[in-house]
Amino acid sequence: GQNIDQPTEMTATEGAIVQINCTYQTSGFNGLFWYQQHAGEAPTFLSYNVLDGLEEKGRFSSFLSRSKGYSYLLLKELQMKDSASYLCAVAPRAGGYNKLIFGAGTRLAVHP
Amino acid sequence: KAGVTQTPRYLIKTRGQQVTLSCSPISGHRSVSWYQQTPGQGLQFLFEYFSETQRNKGNFPGRFSGRQFSNSRSEMNVSTLELGDSALYLCASSQGRADTEAFFGQGTRLTVV
Repeated sequence: GQNIDQPTEMTATEGAIVQINCTYQTSGFNGLFWYQQHAGEAPTFLSYNVLDGLEEKGRFSSFLSRSKGYSYLLLKELQMKDSASYLCAVAPRAGGYNKLIFGAGTRLAVHP
Repeated sequence: KAGVTQTPRYLIKTRGQQVTLSCSPISGHRSVSWYQQTPGQGLQFLFEYFSETQRNKGNFPGRFSGRQFSNSRSEMNVSTLELGDSALYLCASSQGRADTEAFFGQGTRLTVV
C-alpha cells in the first residue's frame, strides 16, 4: 500500500530551527515534494528531492534518504509567518509527477 | 502570469444533486490534477488530465468524473452527492514534465447538506 507519515502538530519559537520529518512507503518513487499551506489558502511549493541528500533554498532545506524512505524539512530562523501546515507528498511512479500522494500534514505553530 | 483559477470558491448543494467545478490552469500548462482535501484524510488524489486525456486516476467512486478541454481548462463533476463529499476541492496545474512542481488553485469549498 501507500503510506506517508508525518507528525500532526509541532510548536517552535520565533528565531529557532525546526525539523519536520516524513517517512514514506510507496509502490515506486519518483520524487518527494514539500508544500506549505496557510489556513484557508492554496498549498505552495517549497522543495523537490529525487536524489539522496540535502537541498537548500534560503531558510528552508529538505533532505532525502531513499533507502530509508525518509525525508525532512528544516526551517531556520523561524518567523511568525511560518505558522502553517507543511505537506509531504510523493510522486509514486514515472509519469506520475502530477499524481501525488500526500501525508496528512504537519501543523506548525510558531510562538514569539 | 495569472495563477490557477478555480470557480466557484464556495458551493452548497443538497444530497443527491450533482455539481460541476471548474479549473483554469496557468497559461502553457497542459496538466491538471484534482485533489480532495478533508480534515480527516488530508489531500487525496482524484485524477489528472494531460492534453485532454485522463492520465492518472485515484481511488474514488465513479460518481467523480472529469474532463479537460483543448484550452487545458478542466472540469470536475460529482453526481449523486453524499454528505461525505463535503470538502475542499483543489486543482493543480503543471507543465506535466519531470521535476516541475504543481501550482495549486485556491480551491472550491463544497458543502453538502
